[in-house]
Amino acid sequence: GNSVTQMEGPVTLSEEAFLTINCTYTATGYPSLFWYVQYPGEGLQLLLKATKADDKGSNKGFEATYRKETTSFHLEKGSVQVSDSAVYFCALNSGYSTLTFGKGTMLLVSP
Amino acid sequence: EAQVTQNPRYLITVTGKKLTVTCSQNMNHEYMSWYRQDPGLGLRQIYYSMNVEVTDKGDVPEGYKVSRKEKRNFPLILESPSPNQTSLYFCASSLPAGQGIHEQYFGPGTRLTVT
Repeated sequence: GNSVTQMEGPVTLSEEAFLTINCTYTATGYPSLFWYVQYPGEGLQLLLKATKADDKGSNKGFEATYRKETTSFHLEKGSVQVSDSAVYFCALNSGYSTLTFGKGTMLLVSP
Repeated sequence: EAQVTQNPRYLITVTGKKLTVTCSQNMNHEYMSWYRQDPGLGLRQIYYSMNVEVTDKGDVPEGYKVSRKEKRNFPLILESPSPNQTSLYFCASSLPAGQGIHEQYFGPGTRLTVT
């Protein structure tokens, strides 16, 4: 079956630091990959996505590249802000609408 | 504004008292789903619906029921809630995968406490 593994948190960074959150997956076929973000007290919202190998998704300064050879989709940002503090979820969809989520990684950014 | 709404946002109830959490979307999406979010476990799917009158179990369906009588609504029913159903619940909707890979839109969540 499908599964997503992401690094446990919390990840604690100072403002303007470089961010990496690791995500690896197991899936049949050729899944699409997503990063969702959950700000405190809110629902999840899509941050970025990639639908095929070597695609790079990007949004709000965040990037992730679909690496089929390493089955990974690591999230990166060059300079984090306090407002980026949230929980980040890696997820995959193998073509049947249902998303499989990782357990989430909390990011805490201090001024 | 395109959105998924859930009601109530917060609910405290007692064991065994039937409750319904409503979910409604205004985007004409075929696919709808319910998740629960628990610390250390991430999001787990309870039930999903590919279209009106079509529902199926997710990963953790025990103790829950759903119905899909119309496209926009997908209520979650707990007929006899128990304390282990204390959780944060999210409803989501999207276009079906057959029309391309689409993002899921999430509601704001319902925090349920069962005492």
